[in-house]
Amino acid sequence: IQMTQSPSSLSASVGDRVTITCRASQAISNYLAWFQQRPGKAPKSLIYAASSLQSGVPSRFSGSGSGTDFTLTISSLQPEDFATYYCQQYNIHPFTFGPGTKVDIK
Amino acid sequence: QVQLQESGPGLVKPSETLSLTCTVSGYSVSSDHYWGWIRQPPGKGLEWIGSIFHTGSTFYNPSLESRVTISLDTSKNQFSLRLNSVTAADTAVYYCARADTAMIIRSWGQGTLVSVSS
Repeated sequence: IQMTQSPSSLSASVGDRVTITCRASQAISNYLAWFQQRPGKAPKSLIYAASSLQSGVPSRFSGSGSGTDFTLTISSLQPEDFATYYCQQYNIHPFTFGPGTKVDIK
Repeated sequence: QVQLQESGPGLVKPSETLSLTCTVSGYSVSSDHYWGWIRQPPGKGLEWIGSIFHTGSTFYNPSLESRVTISLDTSKNQFSLRLNSVTAADTAVYYCARADTAMIIRSWGQGTLVSVSS
């Protein structure tokens, strides 16, 4: 299953609402996760099952979607949110990641 | 709190075997979870390599399956990755990860850079 993300990068300011889109090449129900990766660091799990927050993840992060189209929304961007975000499908082996969306400071 | 730590050589010669170990603390690898490996070439995205269930069942990425072996060592609470016949294209940061029975990744190691060069 091929995963695509849009945009590939975006510039935003602290306090902005940010939305990232992920699309699967075939339906994956809600077997979709989102990860955040800061430069030089390991990825951090944010969301699973398309819309469930991992423990400890701030509520400004939210996810939605089912089937082939999914979104990650950050309601009010904070300085620590500038990072690259990846989606991943875990419905069908081999599990695959999207190419990433880099969020940087405007 | 579950912690994972990768270890192994940072430099491997072309055609040789890459071997990494992930040491797990705070959770038993014999428990009902999946243990996996994911890699990231410098400046690029994430690639799932494969995973092993606590029963020993394995799932590999078909693109790497002919060269990959993932195994468990319950006596040391570790799991390992072996990748044969490496080339420069295998240069990457290698992460170990823990996933639950629904295959949801819950924990990541900090990652270790492995370079393939003569």
